[in-house]
Amino acid sequence: DQQVKQNSPSLSVQEGRISILNCDYTNSMFDYFLWYKKYPAEGPTFLISISSIKDKNEDGRFTVFLNKSAKHLSLHIVPSQPGDSAVYFCAALNYGGSQGNLIFGKGTKLSVKP
Amino acid sequence: GAGVSQSPSNKVTEKGKDVELRCDPISGHTALYWYRQSLGQGLEFLIYFQGNSAPDKSGLPSDRFSAERTGGSVSTLTIQRTQQEDSAVYLCASRPARSGNTIYFGEGSWLTVV
Repeated sequence: DQQVKQNSPSLSVQEGRISILNCDYTNSMFDYFLWYKKYPAEGPTFLISISSIKDKNEDGRFTVFLNKSAKHLSLHIVPSQPGDSAVYFCAALNYGGSQGNLIFGKGTKLSVKP
Repeated sequence: GAGVSQSPSNKVTEKGKDVELRCDPISGHTALYWYRQSLGQGLEFLIYFQGNSAPDKSGLPSDRFSAERTGGSVSTLTIQRTQQEDSAVYLCASRPARSGNTIYFGEGSWLTVV
């Protein structure tokens, strides 16, 4: 049973527009969430994170929103650039519990068209 | 080095042979993780080390997979009697003890079993 779900395997957006990547989770014990970006033939790189005590975190063009009641988070990229084309993974962590590992979604492949 | 280092970067092996994959985490990082990504799949958790002990081995797919960590640093993931379904990118990541929840990935070891 997947605890972290990214239901859209792919997303295509025009350059300059907003990209919205969605992520749902089932485990209410998760208290920290992260987004990673992965280019082909490279390891994932950390992008942005949010603690469960917040509902929004912003870093430049990237903003992550968390809706705890809906167990949903989203990553907004504004404006989208061709260099943002990559696979984006949502991850969740139960930092306060016994689990130390991040649980990842299956990823969403973002294509930003010039 | 400054980042997580993995070797070999690419490995082609014959079915039935054993392989060892090595991970050098970021210096001072106490937590170490192994994930794998098969073609078209997300990041699958394998095992997590805190120091030299592995509190969570739940992701190891079978008893052909094992991992160890020595000196709180280098880790080796061993796959015995490799099968074609073991072909994947094996990603190692590390995390510092106290500062933040972000994990930092290496570039991965690409394993192909023929």
